[in-house]
Amino acid sequence: DVKVTQSSRYLVKRTGEKVFLECVQDMDHENMFWYRQDPGLGLRLIYFSYDVKMKEKGDIPEGYSVSREKKERFSLILESASTNQTSMYLCASSNTGYEKLFFGSGTQLSVL
Amino acid sequence: AQTVTQSQPEMSVQEAETVTLSCTYDTSESDYYLFWYKQPPSRQMILVIRQEAYKQQNATENRFSVNFQKAAKSFSLKISDSQLGDAAMYFCAYRRTGANSKLTFGKGITLSVRP
Repeated sequence: DVKVTQSSRYLVKRTGEKVFLECVQDMDHENMFWYRQDPGLGLRLIYFSYDVKMKEKGDIPEGYSVSREKKERFSLILESASTNQTSMYLCASSNTGYEKLFFGSGTQLSVL
Repeated sequence: AQTVTQSQPEMSVQEAETVTLSCTYDTSESDYYLFWYKQPPSRQMILVIRQEAYKQQNATENRFSVNFQKAAKSFSLKISDSQLGDAAMYFCAYRRTGANSKLTFGKGITLSVRP
């Protein structure tokens, strides 16, 4: 069974902390994505990567960075967490053909 | 820029009845893909159905079908014989063809199913 695994389901951090959200996929997919989901706003793309060490900004990259050193792993980094980054974060992957996205179960991040 | 609009935040349907979820989009492209994704309370997003813009025939997947109106830029999802397990958030999404193009989502609609 194909899988996208996010390291934490719930996370509580303090303002100013550096936060790492990890995502691993076991499908040998080229493309990986980080979305943020907020009530009434839907899913908004933060960053995506279509190859190892490659990254592209999405619609709301400010305050975030990403790392993709290995094909199966895509990390989202909040350099200095702020309260307005409290949200649900969803990781997804797809093959080059992009027929469908496979999603992780999400990480609910609270920044206090 | 492409936009996807889901104007209804919530809908409710009686079990075994049919419900239609609306979606409109804006694009200047002629070739693209449209999707409906489902997010149940478990938060695991799954693909419900996919439509290629160049295909005139509406996609169907068991109880799920779409009404794709390209000229009107409308892409609605019909759920027939609604089941309790259909209760979820549903997101409409758009992607133009071509490598590395991104998927743009609507704001979603919460569907409840009454027993």
